[in-house]
Amino acid sequence: GAVVSQHPSWVICKSGTSVKIECRSLDFQATTMFWYRQFPKQSLMLMATSNEGSKATYEQGVEKDKFLINHASLTLSTLTVTSAHPEDSSFYICSAPMDRINSYEQYFGPGTRLTVT
Amino acid sequence: AQTVTQSQPEMSVQEAETVTLSCTYDTSESDYYLFWYKQPPSRQMILVIRQEAYKQQNATENRFSVNFQKAAKSFSLKISDSQLGDAAMYFCAYRSARYGNKLVFGAGTILRVKS
Repeated sequence: GAVVSQHPSWVICKSGTSVKIECRSLDFQATTMFWYRQFPKQSLMLMATSNEGSKATYEQGVEKDKFLINHASLTLSTLTVTSAHPEDSSFYICSAPMDRINSYEQYFGPGTRLTVT
Repeated sequence: AQTVTQSQPEMSVQEAETVTLSCTYDTSESDYYLFWYKQPPSRQMILVIRQEAYKQQNATENRFSVNFQKAAKSFSLKISDSQLGDAAMYFCAYRSARYGNKLVFGAGTILRVKS
């Protein structure tokens, strides 16, 4: 099946620094990728839709300047958490639907655990 | 906007028994997809089963089956012969067939399997 990878799987950073998380579709092209945030024992909250070659679409309440998204190629989207604070500590998951007519399945990355100290 | 509701925060089942997880959704669309995802402790999201709204027949995947009631906007998941490996958080999700690939998730149900 299709594979989506995320890097790093776990990152610890100091408050005020920025951290970049990568999401790659390894064996298929994805013009769209989604970024989610998940707190323990809670659901996935969609943060933004990453669009290859254009600006990301952010969900209401998500700070665009804090969570920078870049989708530079058909297989790579990055999420940069700028000036991270302890409240940004969370589990971040990306997903990508395959670019295929009538494809309805999304493939999820394994997630990245961010801890801000 | 579409919403997905899972009213059971936690469920327990004895190994080898059957359990049903509930899900209701709200939409004005007639064409859409419904999914059940499993998130084990590793937190990797795993697709369990999917249902196309235009299909009347309930989807089945081995021990997993759904009861799709389109008029009632209900989409429950039945797990038969429960196994210890079924212990996980289960999410019901909705996707429009026309407007993008965005998934709308329910709050999730934690399933515990007792040996």
